[in-house]
Amino acid sequence: AQSVTQPDIHITVSEGASLELRCNYSYGATPYLFWYVQSPGQGLQLLLKYFSGDTLVQGIKGFEAEFKRSQSSFNLRKPSVHWSDAAEYFCAVVGAYKYIFGTGTRLKVLA
Amino acid sequence: EPEVTQTPSHQVTQMGQEVILRCVPISNHLYFYWYRQILGQKVEFLVSFYNNEISEKSEIFDDQFSVERPDGSNFTLKIRSTKLEDSAMYFCASSDQAAGANVLTFGAGSRLTVL
Repeated sequence: AQSVTQPDIHITVSEGASLELRCNYSYGATPYLFWYVQSPGQGLQLLLKYFSGDTLVQGIKGFEAEFKRSQSSFNLRKPSVHWSDAAEYFCAVVGAYKYIFGTGTRLKVLA
Repeated sequence: EPEVTQTPSHQVTQMGQEVILRCVPISNHLYFYWYRQILGQKVEFLVSFYNNEISEKSEIFDDQFSVERPDGSNFTLKIRSTKLEDSAMYFCASSDQAAGANVLTFGAGSRLTVL
């Protein structure tokens, strides 16, 4: 069965520090993978997506993610975090024509 | 940028009451979805809707739930006889293609609190 695991429930980083949020998926075929961000009181905003091709994908707000088939991972990275990046981040895989989300990682940014 | 609009943003109801959550998808989108997020848990798929009928539903989406597209713009989720465990954030989403190599646009959510 398709599934997504985000091992880190909470992450705290200092402003300006680098960030990596982990995502592991289970899917039998080539997955379509997404990262969404949810700010307080807001909906789910798409950060980036991977369908095929270059395994390093660039997204909005300076985020990038790398698809590693051998590790079944799609980790999200940002070289320098801003205070406005504090939010909850969801990884998702498309399976059987519906999105399957991970449990989310809540990011806290220290000034 | 086109948005998916959801109302109400927050609804409080008594157990056993019926609630209707409303969504206005992006105007040229044809596929509509409801997802649910219980506090502290993952976002879960409820149902997808296309061409005026349900195309897929999860095991969560039982007879207590129904969806409807009453006119050309609204897409509603009805929850009958609400239970405490229905308390959650409900997200509507739409897309111009079936989910797959495509992107869903989500609304801001409707928070349902059942007392």
